[in-house]
Amino acid sequence: AQTVTQSQPEMSVQDAETVTLSCTYDTSENNYYLFWYKQPPSRQMILVIRQEAYKQQNATENRFSVNFQKAAKSFSLKISDSQLGDTAMYFCAYGSGNTGKLIFGQGTTLQVKP
Amino acid sequence: DAGVIQSPRHEVTEMGQEVTLRCKPISGHDYLFWYRQTMMRGLELLIYFNNNVPIDDSGMPEDRFSAKMPNASFSTLKIQPSEPRDSAVYFCASSAQLSNQPQHFGDGTRLSIL
Repeated sequence: AQTVTQSQPEMSVQDAETVTLSCTYDTSENNYYLFWYKQPPSRQMILVIRQEAYKQQNATENRFSVNFQKAAKSFSLKISDSQLGDTAMYFCAYGSGNTGKLIFGQGTTLQVKP
Repeated sequence: DAGVIQSPRHEVTEMGQEVTLRCKPISGHDYLFWYRQTMMRGLELLIYFNNNVPIDDSGMPEDRFSAKMPNASFSTLKIQPSEPRDSAVYFCASSAQLSNQPQHFGDGTRLSIL
């Protein structure tokens, strides 16, 4: 069975600085996708970034980028130039290419401080 | 284009009552997912549909839970009878494809069973 682990329950960062959120996963599948979702206090689940496992190039989306280490089964999220609006819980998710199921980590609460 | 629409946003009811949660997926999305989010268990997939047909309901906790999708634009998740341990946030999500397209989430229904 696939698992997703986020080892940092809480993190904080000063605005305008950079922060990295960690995520590791375990799988025996070759076909899968990885996602980071953001859940602000409003409760919405917002897609931040996605990565196809077959791609070596790390995905980037404006201030958000990932460091995908396939052999290590690691998928960290880097937020550059942090903004107050980035304050939220961040979930790493594994998407099986075979079943389509999303498996979520327990989440990391990020607080951006002014 | 409108996102995934869930109703109600909040539901408070007494133990033993029937609860019905509703979801309208994004038009053109063939896949619909129901999740439950709790502090203890995080985000869990309950069931998902493809073209209105239930494909995997292995996450449905017990027979008190049922889900239907009578057409491409509407799905319900029903709990009968409800219990206090069913209190959670229930999310509906939809996607255009099973795995390589991200799931788009509704705003969730916060359910409180007294």
